[in-house]
Amino acid sequence: GQNIDQPTEMTATEGAIVQINCTYQTSGFNGLFWYQQHAGEAPTFLSYNVLDGLEEKGRFSSFLSRSKGYSYLLLKELQMKDSASYLCAVNSGYALNFGKGTSLLVTP
Amino acid sequence: EPEVTQTPSHQVTQMGQEVILRCVPISNHLYFYWYRQILGQKVEFLVSFYNNEISEKSEIFDDQFSVERPDGSNFTLKIRSTKLEDSAMYFCASSDGQGQHFNYGYTFGSGTRLTVV
Repeated sequence: GQNIDQPTEMTATEGAIVQINCTYQTSGFNGLFWYQQHAGEAPTFLSYNVLDGLEEKGRFSSFLSRSKGYSYLLLKELQMKDSASYLCAVNSGYALNFGKGTSLLVTP
Repeated sequence: EPEVTQTPSHQVTQMGQEVILRCVPISNHLYFYWYRQILGQKVEFLVSFYNNEISEKSEIFDDQFSVERPDGSNFTLKIRSTKLEDSAMYFCASSDGQGQHFNYGYTFGSGTRLTVV
């Protein structure tokens, strides 16, 4: 079966750093994606990890530990526009299996 | 930047009617997908399509659903007889690889909001 867990909601302050965790138990693993989704819009690609370690991309970084079934997305220098849902998705086979998403609210 | 294009953006249909949702994937992508997201819920995989055939489908993708690539650019999802519970946002996606061979090219379209009344 597929089980992908992430916190439902988080709140952080503009300019701060926030870490969104994701744990997964899936049958098959071909990589883990993080997407950003604003309400009523499509998911937008943020990062992809297939090997253990940290991938850095500007203000966003993502970490993967395959042995622990664990990933996190790190957002630095938070901006108001970062308020959105952040979706963790595991690729197994052809499909992306998504978590329920973490709704991040950035406050002034 | 290349985009996945979906039409229409909104569709309202009566229960029992057939609907066709249309997508134009990114031109050099080879793998095509449909996902749906019921309001307030998670994004769910429906089907993947490669080399003119379905490569994987979920339990949601029953006999009421079908996909087609009628020409070299379009990719369609047909729902034969819509039910109220088919109301959702339907996302098309395309990718340039599979498994560990993505070149960061797994891209979603902006979606079609389907409302069944």
